Amino acid sequence: AQTVTQSQPEMSVQEAETVTLSCTYDTSESDYYLFWYKQPPSRQMILVIRQEAYKQQNATENRFSVNFQKAAKSFSLKISDSQLGDAAMYFCAYRSATGSGNTGKLIFGQGTTLQVKP
Amino acid sequence: NAGVTQTPKFRILKIGQSMTLQCTQDMNHNYMYWYRQDPGMGLKLIYYSVGAGITDKGEVPNGYNVSRSTTEDFPLRLELAAPSQTSVYFCASTPRGGGTDTQYFGPGTRLTVL
Repeated sequence: AQTVTQSQPEMSVQEAETVTLSCTYDTSESDYYLFWYKQPPSRQMILVIRQEAYKQQNATENRFSVNFQKAAKSFSLKISDSQLGDAAMYFCAYRSATGSGNTGKLIFGQGTTLQVKP
Repeated sequence: NAGVTQTPKFRILKIGQSMTLQCTQDMNHNYMYWYRQDPGMGLKLIYYSVGAGITDKGEVPNGYNVSRSTTEDFPLRLELAAPSQTSVYFCASTPRGGGTDTQYFGPGTRLTVL
């Protein structure tokens, strides 16, 4: 079974600075997807960024980028030029892409609460 | 499009009571999911459905039941509520479940069992 681990329960960053959130996962599959979701106090789950495992190039979305290390099974999220609106809980998630595992089920990590200081 | 809607937003139940959490999506998605999020934790899959009439258990199905009679609706039934079911419940949907499909989440239902 696949697992996702976020070892940083809480992180803080100064406004306008850069912060990196860590995520590791365990899988025996070679084809899968990884996601970072943001959950602000409103509880709404918002997709931040997605990475396909077969792509070596790291995904980027504006101020958000990932460092995907497939061999190390590591998937960190970097937030540049942090803004007050980035304060939220961030979840790393895994989704299988092969065979009977292709049901779209997401496996989530425990989450990291990000505080942004003005 | 309203996306994924959930009702109610909040609910307090007494131990042993039953209730149904409603979930509706208007995007014609085949795949739907129910997750629960305990305080300070990630989401765990309760049940999922890959189409009308087809449901399957997720990681934490005990104490819950689901049905999927239409593409749009995927209600979650709690029988004999227990304090361990105090959680925030999220419904989600996605077109096909594979590829680069994005999973869309509802706003959640906060349930407290006393």
